[in-house]
Amino acid sequence: GQQLNQSPQSMFIQEGEDVSMNCTSSSIFNTWLWYKQEPGEGPVLLIALYKAGELTSNGRLTAQFGITRKDSFLNISASIPSDVGIYFCAGPSGVWETSGSRLTFGEGTQLTVNP
Amino acid sequence: GAGVSQSPSNKVTEKGKDVELRCDPISGHTALYWYRQSLGQGLEFLIYFQGNSAPDKSGLPSDRFSAERTGGSVSTLTIQRTQQEDSAVYLCASSYRGLAGGNEQFFGPGTRLTVL
Repeated sequence: GQQLNQSPQSMFIQEGEDVSMNCTSSSIFNTWLWYKQEPGEGPVLLIALYKAGELTSNGRLTAQFGITRKDSFLNISASIPSDVGIYFCAGPSGVWETSGSRLTFGEGTQLTVNP
Repeated sequence: GAGVSQSPSNKVTEKGKDVELRCDPISGHTALYWYRQSLGQGLEFLIYFQGNSAPDKSGLPSDRFSAERTGGSVSTLTIQRTQQEDSAVYLCASSYRGLAGGNEQFFGPGTRLTVL
């Protein structure tokens, strides 16, 4: 089945630093989603990308949908302590319009921000 | 309700026992999903409901796992004869229709299952 390879697995940074994480796949995805999960909670959608080459921002977060449709990255600028959590990339498996009922998730990037 | 709710939040059971996990989706959401998250891992798809039917149950790991949804709302995930490898956080999500058109999946807080 489709797999998403996410890197790095973990990051330890100082408050104020910028962060970059990425996700790659051996097969094409028509949509890329980035989620954040905090302890004891379910994932929350941060950014959704629907078009190859698309660059989308949400506050201090910026994500891009790779031109090959096989990769995406997420940047966080000027990190703050509340950015701590696990960040997941995800994409719908199968054909979006019909069997795109499931999401395939990367294994996550654990972000720690030291004040 | 305001969000997706799941119960119980934690469940500890003995190997071989059956367990039932409950999900209350956001009111009006026709699509409901179950995922499993093992420690330090990403989410693994289990089953998808559209209304009361399950067009995609291909993620259920064995016939010990089953799920149903009634009234287009509440869903129950049942694990029979639990094994230690079933220990994980079970997450439920709902969306207004389905993934077509980019409908966001809203996740509940999960049920942490521990099989001793």
